Amino acid sequence: EEQLVQSGAELKKPGESLKISCQGSGFDFSSFWIGWVRHVPGRGLECLGAIIPGAATANARYRPSFQGQVTISADESTRTAYLEWTTLKASDTAMYYCVRHLRSTDSPFDLWGRGTLVTVSS
Amino acid sequence: VLTQSPDTLSVSPGETATLSCRASQSVRRNLAWYHQKPGQAPRLLIYGASTRAPGTPVRFSGSGSGTDFTLTVTSLQSDEIGLYYCHQYNNWPPGTFGPGTRVEVK
Repeated sequence: EEQLVQSGAELKKPGESLKISCQGSGFDFSSFWIGWVRHVPGRGLECLGAIIPGAATANARYRPSFQGQVTISADESTRTAYLEWTTLKASDTAMYYCVRHLRSTDSPFDLWGRGTLVTVSS
Repeated sequence: VLTQSPDTLSVSPGETATLSCRASQSVRRNLAWYHQKPGQAPRLLIYGASTRAPGTPVRFSGSGSGTDFTLTVTSLQSDEIGLYYCHQYNNWPPGTFGPGTRVEVK
């Protein structure tokens, strides 16, 4: 069965760092663009960016507004993608979904993880 | 920018639900529809404006191109309530989602 398994919910304070994960199974993880989508109540769904784990340099592509705010990375050997913050803000509070692009980055998301709820509160 | 209408749709089981999605500029046919049940992640229903994803019942059909798109669900079933989102992937990054249409059972 193809699936993306995400790490558990996180409760953090503003200014803290965080790295959440997404492990793929049942498909060739290295060959697909793996992305991150967040859901903020009242703001809907937003694409943050994506990475193709098997690429030589594994360069991530970001929505402009998230460039420099988060880091997307991947470890091909463990079939895991990551989303990382160095300095969390309250506005980062959201449900974060790991997604698989059907083909290239200009394609829809045909596989979703169950989501990781990130709460940032003092 | 994607807009969806209506915001909420009340449909009796067995009836047809028609959902609309409008883009502020042409996205050609690079549009997908997703269904999100309460407490679950969204699931891809339709992509390329009209191609059903694997596992999507034939009762779901998508149409449109350019700026105006429609998702039609015939003979709506009770477990098909929830949020329906359209998603344009013509311009990525970033790709954008519509705000969603909530489908309720009347």
